[in-house]
Amino acid sequence: DAGVIQSPRHEVTEMGQEVTLRCKPISGHNSLFWYRQTMMRGLELLIYFNNNVPIDDSGMPEDRFSAKMPNASFSTLKIQPSEPRDSAVYFCASSLSTAHKGETQYFGPGTRLLVL
Amino acid sequence: AQSVAQPEDQVNVAEGNPLTVKCTYSVSGNPYLFWYVQYPNRGLQFLLKYITGDNLVKGSYGFEAEFNKSQTSFHLKKPSALVSDSALYFCAVREPSSSGGSYIPTFGRGTSLIVHP
Repeated sequence: DAGVIQSPRHEVTEMGQEVTLRCKPISGHNSLFWYRQTMMRGLELLIYFNNNVPIDDSGMPEDRFSAKMPNASFSTLKIQPSEPRDSAVYFCASSLSTAHKGETQYFGPGTRLLVL
Repeated sequence: AQSVAQPEDQVNVAEGNPLTVKCTYSVSGNPYLFWYVQYPNRGLQFLLKYITGDNLVKGSYGFEAEFNKSQTSFHLKKPSALVSDSALYFCAVREPSSSGGSYIPTFGRGTSLIVHP
């Protein structure tokens, strides 16, 4: 398995532009997580999907952020309009969640976003 | 509510010496505990986890961690550090769903381990 795939790996954009980050989870996994990592805030959970349904989006900063998971093999995180404070590394992670086991999360390589 | 603390932002150790990266947690009920490592410009990688059973858990790259329920700790250890172990280490905790927890783990802020030659 290729692991969790994220694209693009790097994105430089100007303030006000729309940014779309993409994630392909590991096949067979039923949970998907979007995280943001910055020096100031560390690793923050943005949103969690289970079986393609958003379960917890309390970490989404504001209405400029939206995430979708149209099927089990694809998810997007969109920022519109982008702002310089959105500059961070965005990680996607997937896992196979079961009721009685401590599932391991598998992280993608991340997308490094710079908003000018 | 579940929480995890990594009290040290940075740990410095000489190559060949034993290393310890500290983690304490708070949950209702029995915890699921994890350690992940992040190398520069990479995503987090799983090292080891404690679910149940033996309190001493062995993981990748010679790392191990000891679950201590009375001290609510899950410190990461390695008997002999390598320069290549230099990275950012994250502890995470999750409360079992049978105890009312969700499938969302809580991560610590991370501890930077620097191993000097």
